[in-house]
Amino acid sequence: GAGVSQSPSNKVTEKGKDVELRCDPISGHTALYWYRQSLGQGLEFLIYFQGNSAPDKSGLPSDRFSAERTGGSVSTLTIQRTQQEDSAVYLCASSFNQPQHFGDGTRLSIL
Amino acid sequence: GQNIDQPTEMTATEGAIVQINCTYQTSGFNGLFWYQQHAGEAPTFLSYNVLDGLEEKGRFSSFLSRSKGYSYLLLKELQMKDSASYLCAVSNAGNNRKLIWGLGTSLAVNP
Repeated sequence: GAGVSQSPSNKVTEKGKDVELRCDPISGHTALYWYRQSLGQGLEFLIYFQGNSAPDKSGLPSDRFSAERTGGSVSTLTIQRTQQEDSAVYLCASSFNQPQHFGDGTRLSIL
Repeated sequence: GQNIDQPTEMTATEGAIVQINCTYQTSGFNGLFWYQQHAGEAPTFLSYNVLDGLEEKGRFSSFLSRSKGYSYLLLKELQMKDSASYLCAVSNAGNNRKLIWGLGTSLAVNP
């Protein structure tokens, strides 16, 4: 596709459920990033994949959060046992060198 | 530590010029980025500076002084559609392409 694609665009779920968020980066982009953005706040770095290197997981807020990137392309961010404080927009970006190109995000609401 | 500072909010008048400042303190430097983010949308890339000086791109210009750890984004002939959040981000030196993000400056353009 022409840009970074994220799905779903919106997700509403009950506290305690697991959720999976998907990111399809721009073809040929070797780097993939996940961010979280709460209302009116800046970007909070979560995790970064670069080629075949081990991912930088330093931003994951707890062990309930995990991410995979299969075949160097599509990535899935998984949040287990969701909590209300997980409610935010989850943004994915990809790049070849720089700059980063962002998807439209997934708006996650935990009831 | 790593730190990026930019004003939280700014207000300007349609047709005027506004300058949004960004100061940074990082362990390394491999370039500074400006992004624009409209409410409810993903950030979009505006400019990249790696050498000192002014980069002009239409109505938008970006300036960098590495010795002062300082950048600004200059918006000329302001339009209502320029109302958005402007994010400053710095790339650390080396192969790590993870960006350090400021919290963003919310610009309101009034008629």
